[in-house]
Amino acid sequence: RKEVEQDPGPFNVPEGATVAFNCTYSNSASQSFFWYRQDCRKEPKLLMSVYSSGNEDGRFTAQLNRASQYISLLIRDSKLSDSATYLCVVNGGTNAGKSTFGDGTTLTVKP
Amino acid sequence: NAGVTQTPKFQVLKTGQSMTLQCAQDMNHNSMYWYRQDPGMGLRLIYYSASEGTTDKGEVPNGYNVSRLNKREFSLRLESAAPSQTSVYFCASSSQTGAPYEQYFGPGTRLTVT
Repeated sequence: RKEVEQDPGPFNVPEGATVAFNCTYSNSASQSFFWYRQDCRKEPKLLMSVYSSGNEDGRFTAQLNRASQYISLLIRDSKLSDSATYLCVVNGGTNAGKSTFGDGTTLTVKP
Repeated sequence: NAGVTQTPKFQVLKTGQSMTLQCAQDMNHNSMYWYRQDPGMGLRLIYYSASEGTTDKGEVPNGYNVSRLNKREFSLRLESAAPSQTSVYFCASSSQTGAPYEQYFGPGTRLTVT
């Protein structure tokens, strides 16, 4: 079983739709959680950190469920520019410096 | 403020050749990382350096060596390149304070080994 698992998709949604991605992690001692966005053939860019209480940044909402060991990303009112691959990242456990990336979920927003 | 820079951007090697990928950051970050990303897959950690003077193996260290030259620079060396090392290599850095482990990436090096 992979340490961090994501549904690869692809998710194809119309503009204006709401879409949610989930990510599960296996190490219960994990401490830090993030969502990154990666455009085709580009470097990943930090989208948002995920806090225990949940957090929101504009149209994006991230949630953490430690009991079930998953994090989620909700995108409301999807834009064409949201088309990208979304990577879930988990840090911590016995080695806080080590990050584990999920394989990513691909989102395509269509007009 | 350039963030994280990597050189070269592209490289083609023949099997058995060696090369060093360079990475530098100007954000005064303590931690630096090297990842590889194969087509259609996520990033896999090769090596990381939690602070100047320390390095640790990641998930896929075989065939690579690293040097944390100073706080700014972290290089990745392929001693004898193999076709299986064809990939995109990303360097990243992060702080250990403030917003720990939020990583910032360089633009990548696209390496082909023939």
